[in-house]
Amino acid sequence: AQSVTQLDSHVSVSEGTPVLLRCNYSSSYSPSLFWYVQHPNKGLQLLLKYTSAATLVKGINGFEAEFKKSETSFHLTKPSAHMSDAAEYFCVARDPRERDDKIIFGKGTRLHILP
Amino acid sequence: NAGVTQTPKFRVLKTGQSMTLLCAQDMNHEYMYWYRQDPGMGLRLIHYSVGEGTTAKGEVPDGYNVSRLKKQNFLLGLESAAPSQTSVYFCASSQRDRGYGTGELFFGEGSRLTVL
Repeated sequence: AQSVTQLDSHVSVSEGTPVLLRCNYSSSYSPSLFWYVQHPNKGLQLLLKYTSAATLVKGINGFEAEFKKSETSFHLTKPSAHMSDAAEYFCVARDPRERDDKIIFGKGTRLHILP
Repeated sequence: NAGVTQTPKFRVLKTGQSMTLLCAQDMNHEYMYWYRQDPGMGLRLIHYSVGEGTTAKGEVPDGYNVSRLKKQNFLLGLESAAPSQTSVYFCASSQRDRGYGTGELFFGEGSRLTVL
């Protein structure tokens, strides 16, 4: 993957409403794709990863992501936001065909949950 | 399960002092990484290693040195700390990526460094 673009630096949703965090990648191939979450003052934790078994990937805490090769997208969704979802989310691509399996991070999307 | 452990978790240095951050992983991973995270900048790769005895420069290597004498450890050194190196440092490890999600990164909890 040559680049990963997270289209929104901040997203605000009300508790109980759906969440959509957008991620697009550019690559000549189909890279490995991941979403990580970082809560304040914590390390990064894997939410989910695309394994090619299915285009709709289920992760922890009710999050899902859909891999759309035609759109080069891997958007993260959750049907109903919870206050504990407030965190920063990173979309990550990794291409085993690139030198040293190059890893590319998106800039991150900070998710705010409104009560 | 320890996973990836970073020490120390917090450190305050004066300009010009030196220090070493230690990263240890117990998953027998080949690859190890050091990142820094600054507000609004995301994660930036400092140095990385694809195996014992090997290191390579990342995106922002200046002012840092690394060593990987043992497969499970990856050390990040600051020879002469500068205020611009105030940051949160994260270590990560992974196996080689063979596609389809096999190259998942495992992160440490971070080391917060302040240089006065």
